[in-house]
Amino acid sequence: SQTIHQWPATLVQPVGSPLSLECTVEGTSNPNLYWYRQAAGRGLQLLFYSVGIGQISSEVPQNLSASRPQDRQFILSSKKLLLSDSGFYLCAWGRNSGNTIYFGEGSWLTVV
Amino acid sequence: KNEVEQSPQNLTAQEGEFITINCSYSVGISALHWLQQHPGGGIVSLFMLSSGKKKHGRLIATINIQEKHSSLHITASHPRDSAVYICAVDNTDKLIFGTGTRLQVFP
Repeated sequence: SQTIHQWPATLVQPVGSPLSLECTVEGTSNPNLYWYRQAAGRGLQLLFYSVGIGQISSEVPQNLSASRPQDRQFILSSKKLLLSDSGFYLCAWGRNSGNTIYFGEGSWLTVV
Repeated sequence: KNEVEQSPQNLTAQEGEFITINCSYSVGISALHWLQQHPGGGIVSLFMLSSGKKKHGRLIATINIQEKHSSLHITASHPRDSAVYICAVDNTDKLIFGTGTRLQVFP
């Protein structure tokens, strides 16, 4: 069966420090991969999506970046965190349109 | 105006009540998802709809493609149904989310 894992689950980082959130999928190949962010009191916002290794699409301008070094690995990074980067980050995977989306457990990031 | 609108934003109910959460969207979609987010943040997919109606236990989801509207119903609500319910539409391989409906069911 397919599973998705992301880590770390919680993170407290100072402003200006780097960030790395990792997400891996098991039990499937060539998934579409997504990073979402949920800021306090707001809906989920798509940050990045990837349809294949090395193929990253960015939805909103920001100081975050994403990489897909392997088929089932998706990494969200920042070189220098801002206070506004605080929020709940979710990794997800799915197939083409019209298929179920599966979410990771989420990562709570607090930038102080 | 958001592309996906949910109502109400907050909902309280007594145990046993029938609950309805609405979702309207303004973009073309291939499917609509209803998701449940618990206080810890984890999200579970409840339904994926492209037409008609689906039922799973006490949960029923309907969609009207012509009117661009979907509803999630909970029959005989229970305190364990307390969560945030999120509508999301599938728009060319990307999900567009509503802001969610926070439901609290009291015993």
